[in-house]
Amino acid sequence: AQKITQTQPGMFVQEKEAVTLDCTYDTSDPSYGLFWYKQPSSGEMIFLIYQGSYDQQNATEGRYSLNFQKARKSANLVISASQLGDSAMYFCAMRSSRGTGNQFYFGTGTSLTVIP
Amino acid sequence: DSGVTQTPKHLITATGQRVTLRCSPRSGDLSVYWYQQSLDQGLQFLIQYYNGEERAKGNILERFSAQQFPDLHSELNLSSLELGDSALYFCASSAGTRGGYTFGSGTRLTVV
Repeated sequence: AQKITQTQPGMFVQEKEAVTLDCTYDTSDPSYGLFWYKQPSSGEMIFLIYQGSYDQQNATEGRYSLNFQKARKSANLVISASQLGDSAMYFCAMRSSRGTGNQFYFGTGTSLTVIP
Repeated sequence: DSGVTQTPKHLITATGQRVTLRCSPRSGDLSVYWYQQSLDQGLQFLIQYYNGEERAKGNILERFSAQQFPDLHSELNLSSLELGDSALYFCASSAGTRGGYTFGSGTRLTVV
């Protein structure tokens, strides 16, 4: 069964500090994709970063980096130099390609609050 | 603007009614996905269409149906609405069946 687990319901970080949001996953698929999305209070889902299961290097996108540890089945998001605008819900997701379909499995999310 | 357009943004309706949510995917994207986000269930996959054909089905109730039209826009029909159907409904699109998602801004449905 496909499953994404985010064990941190809420996190606080001081402005300009780095923060790590945890994500573990479970899949039997040899090929899969891992994603992080940000959902601010306005509700929209914003794509942040992607990691393919066969990618050798950890993905980076500006202040976002993904700490991918395949053997441990973890895909933690690291946000460096936190900003007040980073306060939002963060969702880890896994893409599973089964047959002709393409379904994303989402974790329950982590609420990040950046403190001035 | 993500390129995925969802209308309406907000919808308030009474129990037992029927509503239609509309989604226009990002230009060039053939796949459309519908998700329901509620406080107690999180993000739940409902259904996927690819170039007009249903490709994957998730936890979609029988009271709900969807379709994708030749111009690739999609509609999600919710009927016999119940209070528990109140949620944020997202549409997302991708270029193929194995790509990443681009989400629309969602339709917030309130059933009273």
